Amino acid sequence: DTEVTQTPKHLVMGMTNKKSLKCEQHMGHRAMYWYKQKAKKPPELMFVYSYEKLSINESVPSRFSPECPNSSLLNLHLHALQPEDSALYLCASSGGTSGRATYNEQFFGPGTRLTVL
Amino acid sequence: GESVGLHLPTLSVQEGDNSIINCAYSNSASDYFIWYKQESGKGPQFIIDIRSNMDKRQGQRVTVLLNKTVKHLSLQIAATQPGDSAVYFCADTYQKVTFGTGTKLQVIP
Repeated sequence: DTEVTQTPKHLVMGMTNKKSLKCEQHMGHRAMYWYKQKAKKPPELMFVYSYEKLSINESVPSRFSPECPNSSLLNLHLHALQPEDSALYLCASSGGTSGRATYNEQFFGPGTRLTVL
Repeated sequence: GESVGLHLPTLSVQEGDNSIINCAYSNSASDYFIWYKQESGKGPQFIIDIRSNMDKRQGQRVTVLLNKTVKHLSLQIAATQPGDSAVYFCADTYQKVTFGTGTKLQVIP
């Protein structure tokens, strides 16, 4: 299985809602990532988990809260978002066989298209 | 700060011709680069990678060239097909993954 799955595919939420994005991989990868991608822009790194520990937080606002329950799952909890947070949220994973978890090809999921009203 | 960027935002190529997409990087310590293809409505898909101990790497119809002297890499696609239409990103993986601004490749049938 060389696939990263993400649910839901689309999400519309109000600014007072709480929702979660989910990501799953069964490739035995030990590094997992969240990216945010606005239209016609490259993906921007948000968080990196390496061996289930948060290793990089790119100064993301606290209304985004990542969670890695186990080596196969990655969640992104959303609360009190703003309309400018509307974007495609991409999850990725990579093998962490070297000392640097990002030193390998990243496999991306299809993303969750988030709209904040 | 360090950055990874692309020279051309949009590239139109006749079907069957070769395509060349360029990318510049600024961190001389960068040692591993990846090219990704992103089709509309999908996540980025790995195409080919290259490490700094190499100047050239070939895949199926794709070749990546790395010039460390001028901190430049390029992606060459041979015999471009309509299915190659997408946005192409180079990515620098030093310390964290940083994507370039992207080039949209349009293949003219």
